[in-house]
Amino acid sequence: DIVMTQSPDSLAVSLGERATINCKSTQSLLYNSNNMDYLAWYQQKPGEPPKLLIYWASARESGVPDRFSGSGSGTDFTLTINSLQAEDVAVYYCQQYYSTPLTFGGGTKVEIK
Amino acid sequence: EVQLVESGGGLVQPGGSLRLSCVASGFSFSDYWMTWVRQAPGKGLEWVANIKADGTGKFYVASVEGRFTVSRDNTKDSLYLQMNSLRADDTAVYYCARAVRSATTYNYFDPWGQGTLVTVSS
Repeated sequence: DIVMTQSPDSLAVSLGERATINCKSTQSLLYNSNNMDYLAWYQQKPGEPPKLLIYWASARESGVPDRFSGSGSGTDFTLTINSLQAEDVAVYYCQQYYSTPLTFGGGTKVEIK
Repeated sequence: EVQLVESGGGLVQPGGSLRLSCVASGFSFSDYWMTWVRQAPGKGLEWVANIKADGTGKFYVASVEGRFTVSRDNTKDSLYLQMNSLRADDTAVYYCARAVRSATTYNYFDPWGQGTLVTVSS
């Protein structure tokens, strides 16, 4: 099974500042035949279901603000939230879809400092 | 509007059974793979099972294989999860979600339902 490890577990960022969340996989998520990384990011606000933010490691879902961006390839990935807003307080999860079982990272809680 | 509504959760004793349902609306249900993902209280997300659009392909996480069965009725736009031999560690909110990519189990998910809570306890 591919294990997804996120860091940090939590972080507190001032409004308007940048939040950076890391996700590392135990094997490469880069599929050579199409040169795509099989990695998605979700946001889960308290009491709500997860919401898709990013897929293919860096493609932003329609309607997601452009302050959210995904980067990385292979085994190391990053979700960046530029200019953090109050509504961005949530837990963020990465998920690999390279192989089954599909697996998620443990989550990173983002709070306002 | 695309919508997924789960039901069927509740309190069940260890060893018992429960059947979850998820009714879809706002999209052509029969065209999409679907999934169940669960979240234990205060914990992270765990993928449980995927089912192919026509119901002929099913994939499970090892911890539920042989105990849980995913199915669907495309005439009723409904997804199901039959859960047998339930254990305390199956306690979680169970979400149904639509797979985004067509024709593959290797998927990410959008949207998600609100979830239904299953509590396994004596």
